[in-house]
Amino acid sequence: ILNVEQSPQSLHVQEGDSTNFTCSFPSSNFYALHWYRWETAKSPEALFVMTLNGDEKKKGRISATLNTKEGYSYLYIKGSQPEDSATYLCASNTNAGKSTFGDGTTLTVKP
Amino acid sequence: GAGVSQSPSNKVTEKGKDVELRCDPISGHTALYWYRQSLGQGLEFLIYFQGNSAPDKSGLPSDRFSAERTGGSVSTLTIQRTQQEDSAVYLCASSLSFDEQYFGPGTRLTVT
Repeated sequence: ILNVEQSPQSLHVQEGDSTNFTCSFPSSNFYALHWYRWETAKSPEALFVMTLNGDEKKKGRISATLNTKEGYSYLYIKGSQPEDSATYLCASNTNAGKSTFGDGTTLTVKP
Repeated sequence: GAGVSQSPSNKVTEKGKDVELRCDPISGHTALYWYRQSLGQGLEFLIYFQGNSAPDKSGLPSDRFSAERTGGSVSTLTIQRTQQEDSAVYLCASSLSFDEQYFGPGTRLTVT
């Protein structure tokens, strides 16, 4: 993996469904992995930052895991609600400091 | 405390004119990024400043684009001879070196 990649590109689920998406990143020179939530007509806001292999973070119904050895992170949303509809971005920091974003996963939750 | 601010919030300009977009980062943040979001697209990296190091300009789409960061604080993104394809929302973000980025509200640029 040379760049930060996210999958799927978009996802449509029904209210109440649980869902997850993936962020893959270069494992060499890794320092930190960030997840952001980007709602339409707003600016991205940070959800989580993770640095250690095996890290798990949780905020309400949203949680994330990190595997630095294989270079991936999962974001999980339990019991999706329409207000969860947004684009979820991940960004990887190398030990040089610069943060690189993936293209995002756009989640649409239908009532 | 104050967040990242950007000005103007909206800018309409004629094709061929130069524009300057301003970003005031959070005080003490050493890193500053410029991105843009074209209609229907994702976040496109433009340029990255980190402390006193030379900026990473690898995302600038053409030599019509340039940016400065004066005194390690305020940054200005300049677009010369604007084209219609430059129409986008331009976002600025700042952070401590390895920390999460805090985004400004963006400048919506429309080139007519």
